[in-house]
Amino acid sequence: GQNIDQPTEMTATEGAIVQINCTYQTSGFNGLFWYQQHAGEAPTFLSYNVLDGLEEKGRFSSFLSRSKGYSYLLLKELQMKDSASYLCAVMDSNYQLIWGAGTKLIIKP
Amino acid sequence: GAGVSQSPRYKVAKRGQDVALRCDPISGHVSLFWYQQALGQGPEFLTYFQNEAQLDKSGLPSDRFFAERPEGSVSTLKIQRTQQEDSAVYLCASSSRDRGSYNEQFFGPGTRLTVL
Repeated sequence: GQNIDQPTEMTATEGAIVQINCTYQTSGFNGLFWYQQHAGEAPTFLSYNVLDGLEEKGRFSSFLSRSKGYSYLLLKELQMKDSASYLCAVMDSNYQLIWGAGTKLIIKP
Repeated sequence: GAGVSQSPRYKVAKRGQDVALRCDPISGHVSLFWYQQALGQGPEFLTYFQNEAQLDKSGLPSDRFFAERPEGSVSTLKIQRTQQEDSAVYLCASSSRDRGSYNEQFFGPGTRLTVL
């Protein structure tokens, strides 16, 4: 079966750095996405990785290792507005997005 | 420019009732997806349209679920004889390319369906 694993919840301090991990086992791989979802709102796109390595976009970076079936999302200089759920999703061989359950990130002052 | 819109935002139905959920994608977007998201879970794929063609309905949980996009723009997800397990948020997303290429999906705010 297909599986995406990420921690259920993480807590971090404002101004700090946090790394949210995602491991996956899917039938085929056509890229990995990270989305942010505030409570009661729509998911919004953060990043896309299809090749190994680090993609940096402002305060957010995303890393992929296809051989290990592993990705992480790195958030720097945390702000209170970063409190949200972070969803990892993999596009499988049928170009269907398989989603993790999301990691709820709590930022404390 | 307008994003993806969905209506109604909230729907309460009695068990056995039929419901219809509407999605207005971003104008000109080729691809349209429906997802079901249970509380505390990630979205689960229901169905995919490329223009007016429903190319993948492998995620629809039963034959009570039906989706259409007759003119390649607005889409409707219909659930017949609703059951309590149908209670979830139904998300619609659209993208500018077909599913076989990299495409960022833009999500609507969702319809929260509660079946009593």
